[in-house]
Amino acid sequence: QKEVEQDPGPLSVPEGAIVSLNCTYSNSAFQYFMWYRQYSRKGPELLMYTYSSGNKEDGRFTAQVDKSSKYISLFIRDSQPSDSATYLCARKKNRDDKIIFGKGTRLHILP
Amino acid sequence: GAVVSQHPSWVICKSGTSVKIECRSLDFQATTMFWYRQFPKQSLMLMATSNEGSKATYEQGVEKDKFLINHASLTLSTLTVTSAHPEDSSFYICSAHSGGRENEKLFFGSGTQLSVL
Repeated sequence: QKEVEQDPGPLSVPEGAIVSLNCTYSNSAFQYFMWYRQYSRKGPELLMYTYSSGNKEDGRFTAQVDKSSKYISLFIRDSQPSDSATYLCARKKNRDDKIIFGKGTRLHILP
Repeated sequence: GAVVSQHPSWVICKSGTSVKIECRSLDFQATTMFWYRQFPKQSLMLMATSNEGSKATYEQGVEKDKFLINHASLTLSTLTVTSAHPEDSSFYICSAHSGGRENEKLFFGSGTQLSVL
């Protein structure tokens, strides 16, 4: 059983739309959740990290964790063509645990 | 933010040769660095954890004699792919954090695309 599921996409949305990216996970022991953005042939860049359930907002980005349903989301408001990238969800059980990445969702923002 | 420099960005080599990839933390000391491998449309898979001054810790299924890791200083870790074969062709990425317990704040290098002919 895969620990984390993430739709690979591609997901294409028009510029200015709200983007919703999602991951599901099976291991309830995960406590820390992260979202990374990766441009083609580049290393990932940390966007958001959250601990346990709840929402966290940073500019146009909102991360949401629902531990009861084992579902994590990233919302991007006022999407821009520069947001076109692969978005990786990631999680770990505790602070010292290794980070497990999802396969990533490819996002295309259409100008 | 912190910068991690990875070199080279691209390398093409013949089968059977060895390739060395460097990962440097430019403005902080990294006691721990991580090496990942990423195949097309796949996730980052952790290969090994590189600890300064000690032996690297390899993930299950990763051959330590094939992927040699040296973390000789607080700012440099190297990954050497020995006797490379076409199946080793992949995107290799290093990452580092400056210490502390919040290792989700990893800073990644720009990656190295290895193509073995």
